[in-house]
Amino acid sequence: EAQVTQNPRYLITVTGKKLTVTCSQNMNHEYMSWYRQDPGLGLRQIYYSMNVEVTDKGDVPEGYKVSRKEKRNFPLILESPSPNQTSLYFCASSLLSQETQYFGPGTRLLVL
Amino acid sequence: SQELEQSPQSLIVQEGKNLTINCTSSKTLYGLYWYKQKYGEGLIFLMMLQKGGEEKSHEKITAKLDEKKQQSSLHITASQPSHAGIYLCGADDEYGGSQGNLIFGKGTKLSVKP
Repeated sequence: EAQVTQNPRYLITVTGKKLTVTCSQNMNHEYMSWYRQDPGLGLRQIYYSMNVEVTDKGDVPEGYKVSRKEKRNFPLILESPSPNQTSLYFCASSLLSQETQYFGPGTRLLVL
Repeated sequence: SQELEQSPQSLIVQEGKNLTINCTSSKTLYGLYWYKQKYGEGLIFLMMLQKGGEEKSHEKITAKLDEKKQQSSLHITASQPSHAGIYLCGADDEYGGSQGNLIFGKGTKLSVKP
């Protein structure tokens, strides 16, 4: 089944403890991105990747890192999480940047 | 910067009734996407519109993009409880999607009463 998977789905952590949210797609898509969704603010793009080893900042990149060493994986790294990063995170992928994006199931993060 | 306004913010309808959700852009839309989200879950792609005047249907859901490409509507005919969720419109950003950044509206929460 063609899909975007994320792990973990739910995570509670404490301020400053590094964490990684994994994202994987099995559709051979070149484009991948991360969004966060917050009440009243909607979905906002954090980082995106046009292809392997090519990443760039979205609208709200502060406090996040990403890497794209393989085509299928696009992990989101929070080196030192803070409470304002408590959010619902979505990974998405598409064949190319201007194609329809398919979203993962989301990761709900709580930073205490 | 481009913004998408969705209306209404929330909607409660009786099962079997028709309804319409609107999405209005401050700038010309290059690509308009409709997604559905169930609470706490991922976004499910519904339809994508690109051309002015374009209309697409899938099952009981019809999406239209106006000729000026600044407004889209999503119409559900004979609503069912399975239609309940949050409907989001998204659009390619002002760069025409070259960066793949989708700008989203804040969503319309739909509840369908049996």
